[in-house]
Amino acid sequence: DAGVIQSPRHEVTEMGQEVTLRCKPISGHDYLFWYRQTMMRGLELLIYFNNNVPIDDSGMPEDRFSAKMPNASFSTLKIQPSEPRDSAVYFCASSSNRGQAFFGQGTRLTVV
Amino acid sequence: AQTVTQSQPEMSVQEAETVTLSCTYDTSESDYYLFWYKQPPSRQMILVIRQEAYKQQNATENRFSVNFQKAAKSFSLKISDSQLGDAAMYFCAYRSVNQGAQKLVFGQGTRLTINP
Repeated sequence: DAGVIQSPRHEVTEMGQEVTLRCKPISGHDYLFWYRQTMMRGLELLIYFNNNVPIDDSGMPEDRFSAKMPNASFSTLKIQPSEPRDSAVYFCASSSNRGQAFFGQGTRLTVV
Repeated sequence: AQTVTQSQPEMSVQEAETVTLSCTYDTSESDYYLFWYKQPPSRQMILVIRQEAYKQQNATENRFSVNFQKAAKSFSLKISDSQLGDAAMYFCAYRSVNQGAQKLVFGQGTRLTINP
């Protein structure tokens, strides 16, 4: 398996634009996590899914952020409109039941 | 809600020496998993070691071992014979085992520097 695949690796966008981050989890994993990493706040859990259903989105910072998992092999995290304070590295991770989480390479987002 | 605290933002150690990174957590659950992940400059998150809460024996992986104190809710990582390649950010993580709701939360991280 190729592991967790995230795209794009880097994204630079202007304030106010819509940004969509993509994630393909490892086949057979039933959990998917989205994290945001910044120097100030560390690694924050934004939302996680179990069997494509969002279980806890309490970490999503505000209504500008939304996440979907339309099927077991694909998830998106969308920011609309984007702001400079959204600049961070966004990680997607997947795991099996009670297993370790495997992380993607992350997407470095810069909003100017 | 479960929380994970790493009280040491930065640590340094001489090459070949031993270093211990601290982690405490807060939970009301009796069964759970604990992990240490390593994040080198490449940004990739790499699993170092895991511990099941129901196991009393401390986990070990080569030069890496943990001191798991369940009553104290403490989970420290010991790195023996430190090597230059151990330099990285280290994150402690907690995972619930509740069916269908296995949240995974991380501490703030400890940046480890290895001095040659």
